[in-house]
Formats: sequence, C-alpha cells, structure tokens
Amino acid sequence: EPEVTQTPSHQVTQMGQEVILRCVPISNHLYFYWYRQILGQKVEFLVSFYNNEISEKSEIFDDQFSVERPDGSNFTLKIRSTKLEDSAMYFCASSKDRAEEKLFFGSGTQLSVL
Amino acid sequence: AQSVTQPDIHITVSEGASLELRCNYSYGATPYLFWYVQSPGQGLQLLLKYFSGDTLVQGIKGFEAEFKRSQSSFNLRKPSVHWSDAAEYFCAVGATGGFKTIFGAGTRLFVKA
Repeated sequence: EPEVTQTPSHQVTQMGQEVILRCVPISNHLYFYWYRQILGQKVEFLVSFYNNEISEKSEIFDDQFSVERPDGSNFTLKIRSTKLEDSAMYFCASSKDRAEEKLFFGSGTQLSVL
Repeated sequence: AQSVTQPDIHITVSEGASLELRCNYSYGATPYLFWYVQSPGQGLQLLLKYFSGDTLVQGIKGFEAEFKRSQSSFNLRKPSVHWSDAAEYFCAVGATGGFKTIFGAGTRLFVKA
C-alpha cells in the first residue's frame, strides 16, 4: 500500500528556533493535512491544504505556523519560533478527496522543544 | 460543532475475550465516522469507516463497528481479542464536504494473557 513519509522521525530544537517538518504525501493525493498529538492527549487538527492554499485551519495554527508545497512532492510545516508547548508528535496526512476518503497518515515527527 | 467522545480512557480485556470500545459523536448532519488504531511509536492506521448504507461496517483485523443514529454512537467491536490488538484506538468524525477530521481522546486497550 502507498505510504506517507515524514522526516525526520525525531527533532530536538531550542526554544525560539525555527523548525521545518517534512512530508511526502501519496503521489496522486490532492488534499494534505497536518495534525499534532501532545503526549497523552488527543490528535488535533492543525491545517488542511488544497490547490496550493490553506483550505481550513484550527485556532492552534497561529502566525507562528506556515505550510508550503515547495515542489510537486513535498509538503512542509514550519514553526517560526518554537515554544515549549509546541513539543508534540506531528502527523502529516493526505487524501484523494476531502473527508469522504480516508486519510493516510505518516508515522509522525516527534518534536521536542527544550 | 463536531465533537467526539470516547468515554473510556483505557480498557483491559483478556486474550480471546470480546471487546467493545465506545464512541459518541455530535454533529448536525450525517457524519462520516472512522476508527483508527495507533500502535506505540507508530502512525495512525484506518480500521474502518462509515459513510452511508449498511450501519454495520466491517474493517481490517476482524474489527467491526455499528452506526446507531438514535444513540449518536459508533462503537467498535471485536469478538475475540488477540495480544497484538493492544494499542490506542481513536474514533473520529469528518464533516460532509469538510476538510478536517475531528478525533476523540482515544481509548488505550490492554490485553492480558
């Protein structure tokens, strides 16, 4: 089965630093998403992306966050100035269609902000 | 607004016993409903989904779920649990025509020998 791949699997950074989390969605998928899961808490929606623009975002996704599809294969999440509370597992997902189709999730990037 | 409630934070069952994980949702129209499983250190894997039609849906790994509109529930069941089923299970709801999926807080399943 095709996979969503995420790199790196673990990222450690200092508070205030910028981080970029990378994802390669499944090649024929059109909708891309970022979710995060703080340790012991629920999976939270951050943002969805379609047709080279953000289609929906949550209140978590403030000005410190941005997403980009820099080329035909990568989908990135940038956190401009990390805070301690940004420490979480970040999941990328893609789908062929909106919620009608299943989301394919990557295995996640564990971000630790020190 | 959409919401999902999983009342049980964790459940312990004996291997070979039956399992039911509860999920209640809140949504104004007919929702799209999902169950995902997350093994330690892994991503989220779709077990099954309900969009319309038969309210009893079959999924992978021997799981099934039943959509009950009158109870706003979508409980996950398995007749005989295996030790490898130990994981965290998430119920989720997606909106018709929407872009995001809302997850419940998850239920951690422990399986004892």
